[in-house]
Amino acid sequence: GDSVTQMEGPVTLSEEAFLTINCTYTATGYPSLFWYVQYPGEGLQLLLKATKADDKGSNKGFEATYRKETTSFHLEKGSVQVSDSAVYFCALSDRGGGATNKLIFGTGTLLAVQP
Amino acid sequence: EAQVTQNPRYLITVTGKKLTVTCSQNMNHEYMSWYRQDPGLGLRQIYYSMNVEVTDKGDVPEGYKVSRKEKRNFPLILESPSPNQTSLYFCASSLFGTANQPQHFGDGTRLSIL
Repeated sequence: GDSVTQMEGPVTLSEEAFLTINCTYTATGYPSLFWYVQYPGEGLQLLLKATKADDKGSNKGFEATYRKETTSFHLEKGSVQVSDSAVYFCALSDRGGGATNKLIFGTGTLLAVQP
Repeated sequence: EAQVTQNPRYLITVTGKKLTVTCSQNMNHEYMSWYRQDPGLGLRQIYYSMNVEVTDKGDVPEGYKVSRKEKRNFPLILESPSPNQTSLYFCASSLFGTANQPQHFGDGTRLSIL
């Protein structure tokens, strides 16, 4: 079945460091890919998305490129801030076979940014 | 303000005592869903609803019920809660489906079943 694998955390960085959080997926169809962010005590918020191969999603300085050849959707940011500290979830929604009603999440990666 | 509202935010209860977690959205969304979040497992979908009176099982539906009698509401019912249902629960909604739609999440309900 469909699945998402994320790098385990926690990831601890100093402010202004470069961030990469790896995400790979397995899907039978043509998935849409998402990154969601969860700040402490809150629900998840969509950070960015990509709906087809080679699409780049971007928001708030974060970027991720849909790589079909490597089945990956790695999250990157050039210079992290303390306010980026949160849990980041990679997710997919598979459009194959009409299965458009489920989001499959990775296990989440905790990012802690130190001043 | 567009939002998904869950109640209660926190609940401690005992095994076997029926409980309902309410979820309401004010965005006229057709799609609603419930997830549970557990350490090391991420979010797993419990049930979802494509529209009024249309519900279907997600990946972990055992021990839960849902109903969708009105578009805005999607309560989660635990008829006979057990300790393995202790978790953080999230309700989410979107205009339709999940393929290209951002999901709007509530702030979560933390359930402890003793």
